[in-house]
Amino acid sequence: RKEVEQDPGPFNVPEGATVAFNCTYSNSASQSFFWYRQDCRKEPKLLMSVYSSGNEDGRFTAQLNRASQYISLLIRDSKLSDSATYLCVVRVNYGGSQGNLIFGKGTKLSVKP
Amino acid sequence: NAGVTQTPKFQVLKTGQSMTLQCAQDMNHEYMSWYRQDPGMGLRLIHYSVGAGITDQGEVPNGYNVSRSTTEDFPLRLLSAAPSQTSVYFCASSYSGGPVDGNTIYFGEGSWLTVV
Repeated sequence: RKEVEQDPGPFNVPEGATVAFNCTYSNSASQSFFWYRQDCRKEPKLLMSVYSSGNEDGRFTAQLNRASQYISLLIRDSKLSDSATYLCVVRVNYGGSQGNLIFGKGTKLSVKP
Repeated sequence: NAGVTQTPKFQVLKTGQSMTLQCAQDMNHEYMSWYRQDPGMGLRLIHYSVGAGITDQGEVPNGYNVSRSTTEDFPLRLLSAAPSQTSVYFCASSYSGGPVDGNTIYFGEGSWLTVV
């Protein structure tokens, strides 16, 4: 089983739609969780961290379910500019003060006019 | 505010050649790392460093060397390039600290490497 699994998509949605991405992780030692956004031929950029209580940043809502080892990202009122690949990222602490990031393969979103 | 700077952005190598991908950051980050990204794959960790003089292997270290003589620089060396090393390489850095604090990882813009 892959450490971080995502549906690769693509998700093709019209402007204004609500879209949700899911991600599962296999390592119970996972400590921190993130969603990154990657535009075509660009570097990944942090979209938001994911906290146990759930968190929201404008149109974006992230949820974490530690018991089910599941992370989600909800995008409301999709914009054309939201078209990108969304990477689910988990930090696993292998015992030191620094953990390494494990990346999912990404979910591609295409928002159409 | 330069952030993480990678060079070169594009490179074509012949099989067997060696080269160094440069990475520098000006944020005084202790943690630096190199990833490769292949089509249909997530980013995979090659090597990382938690501070000057300290390096360690990631998931896919074979064929690559690193060193960390200063806090700012973390070059990645391809010893004898192979077609399987054709990929996009990203350097990244972050502050050190506990795993729960959500340290932001800053990525360089990427280096596109083709080995023929």
